Amino acid sequence: GENVEQHPSTLSVQEGDSAVIKCTYSDSASNYFPWYKQELGKGPQLIIDIRSNVGEKKDQRIAVTLNKTAKHFSLHITETQPEDSAVYFCAASKKGNNAGNMLTFGGGTRLMVKP
Amino acid sequence: DSGVTQTPKHLITATGQRVTLRCSPRSGDLSVYWYQQSLDQGLQFLIQYYNGEERAKGNILERFSAQQFPDLHSELNLSSLELGDSALYFCASSAASGRPGEAQYFGPGTRLTVL
Repeated sequence: GENVEQHPSTLSVQEGDSAVIKCTYSDSASNYFPWYKQELGKGPQLIIDIRSNVGEKKDQRIAVTLNKTAKHFSLHITETQPEDSAVYFCAASKKGNNAGNMLTFGGGTRLMVKP
Repeated sequence: DSGVTQTPKHLITATGQRVTLRCSPRSGDLSVYWYQQSLDQGLQFLIQYYNGEERAKGNILERFSAQQFPDLHSELNLSSLELGDSALYFCASSAASGRPGEAQYFGPGTRLTVL
């Protein structure tokens, strides 16, 4: 099955700096890659997603890039703010025989933004 | 707030017992997903229902079962509970087809503690 690896597991940055989180996936049939932000005591919140027919997508301070050949995708957060502190998860899904929509998640990155 | 609701928020029970977790999807969403989040296993897909029918199955134990009712709410039943079943259980929903590449929106979760 699909395997998603995420790095780093923790990331500490100064407010205003950029943060980059990287994920690799194993199954070349994967074609949808969402990113989730999870704050303490809350459920994962979808912050951005990208499909395999697109190489990059941007939404204000957040961008995601996808390299299908290398099977990796990355989350970029610019001008980080203390409220960006959370655990971030990457995920992947692919078209299966049953056309279900299961997500396989990476292990998570704890981002700490120091004021 | 994603619009997905889950009850109860917390559940404490004993080994060998049975519990039911409830989820209401966002208004209009036809697909419901269940995920388990534990410290050692991370976020893992359990099962997906689309408009009352099972659509995809992940690493769901035989002691666990789920269903989606005509009003589209879903229940996850966990029986013969073991200490290792202690985890956060999340429900997510998606809009139209429940097919790969459809964005999933997560609820706030139910924290299950098995003593």
